[in-house]
Amino acid sequence: DAGVIQSPRHEVTEMGQEVTLRCKPISGHNSLFWYRQTMMRGLELLIYFNNNVPIDDSGMPEDRFSAKMPNASFSTLKIQPSEPRDSAVYFCASSLMTSGYEQYFGPGTRLTVT
Amino acid sequence: GENVEQHPSTLSVQEGDSAVIKCTYSDSASNYFPWYKQELGKRPQLIIDIRSNVGEKKDQRIAVTLNKTAKHFSLHITETQPEDSAVYFCAASKGNDYKLSFGAGTTVTVRA
Repeated sequence: DAGVIQSPRHEVTEMGQEVTLRCKPISGHNSLFWYRQTMMRGLELLIYFNNNVPIDDSGMPEDRFSAKMPNASFSTLKIQPSEPRDSAVYFCASSLMTSGYEQYFGPGTRLTVT
Repeated sequence: GENVEQHPSTLSVQEGDSAVIKCTYSDSASNYFPWYKQELGKRPQLIIDIRSNVGEKKDQRIAVTLNKTAKHFSLHITETQPEDSAVYFCAASKGNDYKLSFGAGTTVTVRA
């Protein structure tokens, strides 16, 4: 298995632009998590899905952030409009809840908003 | 929600010595405690985990202990090697809530 796949790996954009981050979970996994990592705030859970349904989005910072999971093999995290304070590494992780709680992280997307 | 505190924030050890990282959690319902290792510029990777029905778990040079009464758990790395240098994160989760609450991380540096 290729593991969790994220794209793009790096994104540089100007403030005000729309940013879309993509994630493909490990095949067969039924839960998907979006995290943001910064030096100041560490690893923060933004939202997670179980069987494609959003379960908890309490970590989503504000209305500029939205996430979707249209099917079991694809999810997006969108920021519109982007701001410099959104600069961070965004990780997607997936898990198979029926076998335990282990979460497997993707390589991350490093977002820079100028 | 769950609050996980991790100490120390940085740890420097001589190669071959042991390293210990401690975490405390606030929610007594938490029952799953993983540890992740993150090398510079890489993704967090699960290295060991423990569930609330177990007090200690070992995997070669790493071990985790859990004290549910005191609500704390620790990571022990023995015979440290330069490749153990990384940031280590503890986390906690409840059975009916698959969210992981992470500690702030410990930067471990192994001096040759």
